[in-house]
Amino acid sequence: DIQMTQSPSTLSASVGDRVTITCRASQSISSWLAWFQQKPGKAPSLLIYKASNLQRGVPSRFSGSGSGTDFTLTISSLQPDDFATYYCQQYHSFSWTFGQGTKVEIK
Amino acid sequence: EVQLVESGGGLVKPGESLTLSCAAAGFSFSSYAMSWVRQAPGKGLEWVAFISDANNYYADAVKGRVTISRDNAQNSLYLQINDLRAEDTAIYYCARGGGCFDDICYYPDYWGLGTLVTVSS
Repeated sequence: DIQMTQSPSTLSASVGDRVTITCRASQSISSWLAWFQQKPGKAPSLLIYKASNLQRGVPSRFSGSGSGTDFTLTISSLQPDDFATYYCQQYHSFSWTFGQGTKVEIK
Repeated sequence: EVQLVESGGGLVKPGESLTLSCAAAGFSFSSYAMSWVRQAPGKGLEWVAFISDANNYYADAVKGRVTISRDNAQNSLYLQINDLRAEDTAIYYCARGGGCFDDICYYPDYWGLGTLVTVSS
């Protein structure tokens, strides 16, 4: 199975900060990577697909980059609604794997 | 509007069986592969199973105890879990997508709200 390593596991930031989360795959997954936001008690919500494509309706302050094994999710200016947990996910194979999550907390 | 609604969760004893359902609406259900993903309390996301027209695949953690199936006429997805264990306690989500076909891989673009399965004596 492809392992996904996400960092950091927790991130403390202030409104307006630029935030970066990284995700590394144990083998090349081309660009078959998605990013999700999850708030407590809610289902995951798709932010980015194919590494850098913004899902319809997602604010443009979210962006993704990378290919192969190294990927990044960036929030250009953190907003109050963005405090949540973020997961990367590879879908290069039918057996999806997720990063362990990054909780973005209020500093 | 795409909708996925899971049901069938509840409190069950170790060793018992349970069948989860996912009712789909707002899209051509038969045209999509579907997947189940679970999340244990306070933990991350774990893929469980995948079904397309031709194939079913299962995570090693549940292989041999779980069966994924679908009824395209009823726009429904199912997950039967046998010999339930404490470690199966989780919210189970159905998600649209999965697999790679003709060099295109499909991400989970829509998720249901989930159904909670609690395994405890």
